[in-house]
Amino acid sequence: QQPVQSPQAVILREGEDAVINCSSSKALYSVHWYRQKHGEAPVFLMILLKGGEQKGHEKISASFNEKKQQSSLYLTASQLSYSGTYFCGTGASGSARQLTFGSGTQLTVLP
Amino acid sequence: NAGVTQTPKFRVLKTGQSMTLLCAQDMNHEYMYWYRQDPGMGLRLIHYSVGEGTTAKGEVPDGYNVSRLKKQNFLLGLESAAPSQTSVYFCASTHRGSYEAFFGQGTRLTVV
Repeated sequence: QQPVQSPQAVILREGEDAVINCSSSKALYSVHWYRQKHGEAPVFLMILLKGGEQKGHEKISASFNEKKQQSSLYLTASQLSYSGTYFCGTGASGSARQLTFGSGTQLTVLP
Repeated sequence: NAGVTQTPKFRVLKTGQSMTLLCAQDMNHEYMYWYRQDPGMGLRLIHYSVGEGTTAKGEVPDGYNVSRLKKQNFLLGLESAAPSQTSVYFCASTHRGSYEAFFGQGTRLTVV
C-alpha cells in the first residue's frame, strides 16, 4: 500500500523552513527520500533504516519513527534550488530496495 | 561516465503495437529497476532484477515483460500496448552495497 505524504503542496519564501511527512500502514524497514525537478529524473537525498540514526545533509535532515511507521523530512532555511517534488519511498524487511513511493509533495520556494 | 541511459526518450505507439525500452548502466550495479510514473501516483515498481539472468515482479507487472541478459542492460517490453500504459518510464540501478538508486532520464511513452 502506498505511503501517504503530507502536505501535497507547499509554497515558501526563501529562508523559511518546511516539514514533509510520510506515513505508512505497513511495518517499515527503510524510508528513502528523493527530490525530482520538473522534467528530470529523481535524485536520491537520504535513507533511514530501522534502528538507524537520524540523517542529515547540510540544511536537509530526516527522522524515522519506527513505532508510528512515519518519517519526516526537514528543510531548513530553504533555498530556491530546493524547489521540486519530494517523494518518500518505503521498503520492508527483506526487500528494502523494492520501494513503494508516495504520491509526492510539491515544494515551491519563492524569492 | 554516463550513469543510467534510457533509449528512446520519447515514443508514440498505436494500440496493439509492441516495443522494447532499453536501460543501460555503466556503474557495474547489481540491482536494476523499471518504474512508471503517472500524475498524482508517484513512482510504481514494474519489475526489478537483482543480478544478471534474474528478474522479479514488482507492484504493477501486468502487460510488461523484462529481460536481463547482460549485467549492464535491463530491457522492458510491451507486447501489445494499451492506452493505460501511457506514462513516463524510469529505469534505476543500485549497487549491492548501497541503497542509493540512480535514475535514468526517463522515457515518455504515449499509446494512442
